[in-house]
Amino acid sequence: SQTIHQWPATLVQPVGSPLSLECTVEGTSNPNLYWYRQAAGRGLQLLFYSVGIGQISSEVPQNLSASRPQDRQFILSSKKLLLSDSGFYLCAWSAQGNPREQFFGPGTRLTVL
Amino acid sequence: AQSVTQLDSHVSVSEGTPVLLRCNYSSSYSPSLFWYVQHPNKGLQLLLKYTSAATLVKGINGFEAEFKKSETSFHLTKPSAHMSDAAEYFCVVRNAGKSTFGDGTTLTVKP
Repeated sequence: SQTIHQWPATLVQPVGSPLSLECTVEGTSNPNLYWYRQAAGRGLQLLFYSVGIGQISSEVPQNLSASRPQDRQFILSSKKLLLSDSGFYLCAWSAQGNPREQFFGPGTRLTVL
Repeated sequence: AQSVTQLDSHVSVSEGTPVLLRCNYSSSYSPSLFWYVQHPNKGLQLLLKYTSAATLVKGINGFEAEFKKSETSFHLTKPSAHMSDAAEYFCVVRNAGKSTFGDGTTLTVKP
């Protein structure tokens, strides 16, 4: 069966510090991968999606970047965090043959102080 | 372009009474529709999905939803609420590889 992992689960970082959130998927190959951000009391905003290694599409201009160094690894990064980067970050995957259904990781709660 | 509107930001019911969470959508093409549940500080769990098969969809934990094309709605229902149903619920429309999430409905269940 497929599983998706995210770490860390929670993170508190000062403004201006770097960020690296990791997402890995097991039990499937060549998945589509997604990073979402959920601000308090809001729905999810798609930040990045990837259809393959090294292929990243950015949905909204922002302070964050994403990379996919391996087939089942998706990393969300920032060189300098802003207060507005606080939120709940969710990674998701979908199968290439069935892109309609997404499966979500447990999320990372990021607080920028 | 597509959009999702969850008509109620908060719904409060008593345990054992019916639940109705409303969702309207707009989409240029025939979409897939989903309901997800999120418990505090947790990821999203799929409750049910509509992908152009039966219009009445049954999901986990006794939830179901009916796709009504004429009303562009996909409301989530459950006959009898349980305390463990208290969570946030998201309606999602998905088409051409892109998902659009509603802003969520917080369900409170009173004893």
